[in-house]
Amino acid sequence: EAQVTQNPRYLITVTGKKLTVTCSQNMNHEYMSWYRQDPGLGLRQIYYSMNVEVTDKGDVPEGYKVSRKEKRNFPLILESPSPNQTSLYFCASRLAGGPAEQYFGPGTRLTVT
Amino acid sequence: AQRVTQPEKLLSVFKGAPVELKCNYSYSGSPELFWYVQYSRQRLQLLLRHISRESIKGFTADLNKGETSFHLKKPFAQEEDSAMYYCALRVSFGAGTTVTVRA
Repeated sequence: EAQVTQNPRYLITVTGKKLTVTCSQNMNHEYMSWYRQDPGLGLRQIYYSMNVEVTDKGDVPEGYKVSRKEKRNFPLILESPSPNQTSLYFCASRLAGGPAEQYFGPGTRLTVT
Repeated sequence: AQRVTQPEKLLSVFKGAPVELKCNYSYSGSPELFWYVQYSRQRLQLLLRHISRESIKGFTADLNKGETSFHLKKPFAQEEDSAMYYCALRVSFGAGTTVTVRA
């Protein structure tokens, strides 16, 4: 089944404790991205990747890192999480060319205390 | 710069009534526009794309380049249409509209 998976689905952590949220897709998509979803603000893009070893900042990249060593994986790293990073995070992937839609993961609800 | 505006945060309609969700965009090139839907506790999924000009679950959306709009419409809302709806310009999203359909 074609899908985007994320782990963990729920995470509660403390300020400053490094964490990684994994994202994987099995559709051979070149483009992958991370969003955070906050009430009233919709989906805001954090980082995106056009292909392996090619990443770029989205609209709200501060406090986040990403890497793209393999085509299928695009982990999101929070080196020193802070409470304002408490949010619902979605990973997405799509084909790079043409008017292609994005396929979304199930979301990761992160709480930073 | 690309920008997507969904002016209504909340929309409440009665079952069987028409529903219209507004979406305006700003983009100088040829837009790639989508509507995504997120049902309660589920992931976002594609509802419509402008290039297909199709009707999905009774919803349609027409691209109006003159008004830079891509409004989503359904003539008769159903309770199962209650969800969050996002308009997207390629990979940029609006703030979303929460639709509640009341019996």
